[in-house]
Amino acid sequence: NAGVTQTPKFQVLKTGQSMTLQCAQDMNHEYMSWYRQDPGMGLRLIHYSVGAGITDQGEVPNGYNVSRSTTEDFPLRLLSAAPSQTSVYFCASSYSFPIPGNTIYFGEGSWLTVV
Amino acid sequence: QKEVEQDPGPLSVPEGAIVSLNCTYSNSAFQYFMWYRQYSRKGPELLMYTYSSGNKEDGRFTAQVDKSSKYISLFIRDSQPSDSATYLCAMKVGAQKLVFGQGTRLTINP
Repeated sequence: NAGVTQTPKFQVLKTGQSMTLQCAQDMNHEYMSWYRQDPGMGLRLIHYSVGAGITDQGEVPNGYNVSRSTTEDFPLRLLSAAPSQTSVYFCASSYSFPIPGNTIYFGEGSWLTVV
Repeated sequence: QKEVEQDPGPLSVPEGAIVSLNCTYSNSAFQYFMWYRQYSRKGPELLMYTYSSGNKEDGRFTAQVDKSSKYISLFIRDSQPSDSATYLCAMKVGAQKLVFGQGTRLTINP
């Protein structure tokens, strides 16, 4: 029962470094997305994908890249980390776009600190 | 102005109390209304959803939507310490986008 798996769980980066947060799901879901969660801000959508080869921007896409080469994987790339990207990142997936009845499953989160 | 406003709390109540959690929103295009529960250091999990004005019950939980006032609520009856978590409201706009409230941190004291 893997569900949505995110790695790494914790990461400390120096300003200017790049890294990739990995996300994989084993439920054959079409829809995948990345959110960041900051105190007092709730969850904000970074990027999403409705299927392999299709991605689109969410509410806060700047500084992040995504690609979707397979149904299972949806990595999030930080191109040049900034302290403002210190946050908790959640990957989510659902069978189709997030309407009720298609439960959205979230990963456990990745805690990222940029110093 | 944020599209969805939610009091972040924290909210602390004794075991057995009725808890009321609320969100207001500004976008009339919001179609579906959801409540997520998030335990500490975990991802959110869907608790309830509704798409029409009125009440929806599921066990000890009742979701209420008032579209005319742009106001949604989650009521928890007979609250338990295991209900201690952060509760996030979420709303769907368009085909693909969910907008979340800030989340309310709730503690139920034994």
